[in-house]
Amino acid sequence: SQTIHQWPATLVQPVGSPLSLECTVEGTSNPNLYWYRQAAGRGLQLLFYSVGIGQISSEVPQNLSASRPQDRQFILSSKKLLLSDSGFYLCAWTSGKGGGKLFFGSGTQLSVL
Amino acid sequence: AQSVSQHNHHVILSEAASLELGCNYSYGGTVNLFWYVQYPGQHLQLLLKYFSGDPLVKGIKGFEAEFIKSKFSFNLRKPSVQWSDTAEYFCAASDFGNEKLTFGTGTRLTIIP
Repeated sequence: SQTIHQWPATLVQPVGSPLSLECTVEGTSNPNLYWYRQAAGRGLQLLFYSVGIGQISSEVPQNLSASRPQDRQFILSSKKLLLSDSGFYLCAWTSGKGGGKLFFGSGTQLSVL
Repeated sequence: AQSVSQHNHHVILSEAASLELGCNYSYGGTVNLFWYVQYPGQHLQLLLKYFSGDPLVKGIKGFEAEFIKSKFSFNLRKPSVQWSDTAEYFCAASDFGNEKLTFGTGTRLTIIP
């Protein structure tokens, strides 16, 4: 069966420090991968999505970047965190076959101080 | 631009009451519609989805939703709620054939025993 792993679960970082959040999917190949940010009262905002290795689409201009070095690995990064980067980050995947069903990871609560 | 609106931010009901959560979307073409649910401490998971055909869609745990094209709506309903339905509910939409979802801001549902 397919599983999605996302870590760390919580992270506290100072302003200006770098960031790396990792997400891996098991049990499937060629998934579409997504990074969402969930904020209270604002729902889920799509940050990045990827349909293949090295292919990244950015949905909103921001201080973050994403990379997909392997088929089932998706990384969210920042060179210098801002206070406004605090939030709950969710990784998700779909099969890429048009079904549209998103499978979410457990999320990372990021606090930038 | 595509958007999804959920006007009920927090709904409080007693057990056995009927439920209807509103969802309106703004999409230019054929649309796929979804309801996701996040129970306390759990991952987001798919409740039901509409792609085509019968506009009344049945999902898990007795939930259903009706696609009304003329009203651009996809409201979620349940005739008799249970305490275990306490959760946050998200409506989402995507262009037909596209797996990139746009989410609403979510509705927090609290069921009082």
